Amino acid sequence: GNSVTQMEGPVTLSEEAFLTINCTYTATGYPSLFWYVQYPGEGLQLLLKATKADDKGSNKGFEATYRKETTSFHLEKGSVQVSDSAVYFCALLWLSGGSNYKLTFGKGTLLTVNP
Amino acid sequence: KAGVTQTPRYLIKTRGQQVTLSCSPISGHRSVSWYQQTPGQGLQFLFEYFSETQRNKGNFPGRFSGRQFSNSRSEMNVSTLELGDSALYLCASSFPGQGGWSYEQYFGPGTRLTVT
Repeated sequence: GNSVTQMEGPVTLSEEAFLTINCTYTATGYPSLFWYVQYPGEGLQLLLKATKADDKGSNKGFEATYRKETTSFHLEKGSVQVSDSAVYFCALLWLSGGSNYKLTFGKGTLLTVNP
Repeated sequence: KAGVTQTPRYLIKTRGQQVTLSCSPISGHRSVSWYQQTPGQGLQFLFEYFSETQRNKGNFPGRFSGRQFSNSRSEMNVSTLELGDSALYLCASSFPGQGGWSYEQYFGPGTRLTVT
C-alpha cells in the first residue's frame, strides 16, 4: 500500500549547520507530498508542499523537491536555527477510492539544534 | 481568526471507561479529521467528517467513533478504553477545496489521553 519512510532521528545539529531529512514514498498514481512540523506542545503545522513531479516546495528557508524518479521528497535547509528544533513529518496525500483522499504520515524525525 | 481548539487538553481515564473529546474547527472550515499519535505507531488517521457525514475512515476498531454537528464542531468517542489507547489525539480542520478536499489541514494542539 501507499506509505512514507523518513529517516529516523534524533538529529542533532549546531546552529548554522546544513540540514537534510530524507523522505521516500511508495504510491500509485499521482500523490501530493508535504512536510509538517510539530513544535513542543503544539499540533502540526504545514511547512511546505509539492503537488506534482519536479515541484519544489519552500518556506522559512526550508526546501524540498518532488522527485518521481527516486520517489523522494527530502527536506533541506542551508542554515538551521535553534528555533527550528521540532519534530518534522513527511506526508503523502493520495486518492484512496472514488473522491476520497487520505493523508499518510511518516513516523517523524526529531531535530534538535544547539546554540 | 482563531485556530483549531481541542478540549480537554489532558485527560486521565481508567481501563473500561469511555471518553469524549471535542474539536472546534477554524470558522468556515467544514471538514474535520481526527488522528491518533503514539511514539510507536506515529500519526494514524482515524476518520474525517464533512457536512455532518463521515466521509473517510481509517483502520481502527468500532470502539472509536465520531460525529460532527451542524456548526462543524466534532466529537470523538472511545468506548471501553484500553491501555493502548493512551495517545495524543489530534484534530485537523480544512476548508473544502477541489473535490471537497483541501490540501492544507490546520491542526489543533491535541488532547493527551492517558489510560491507567
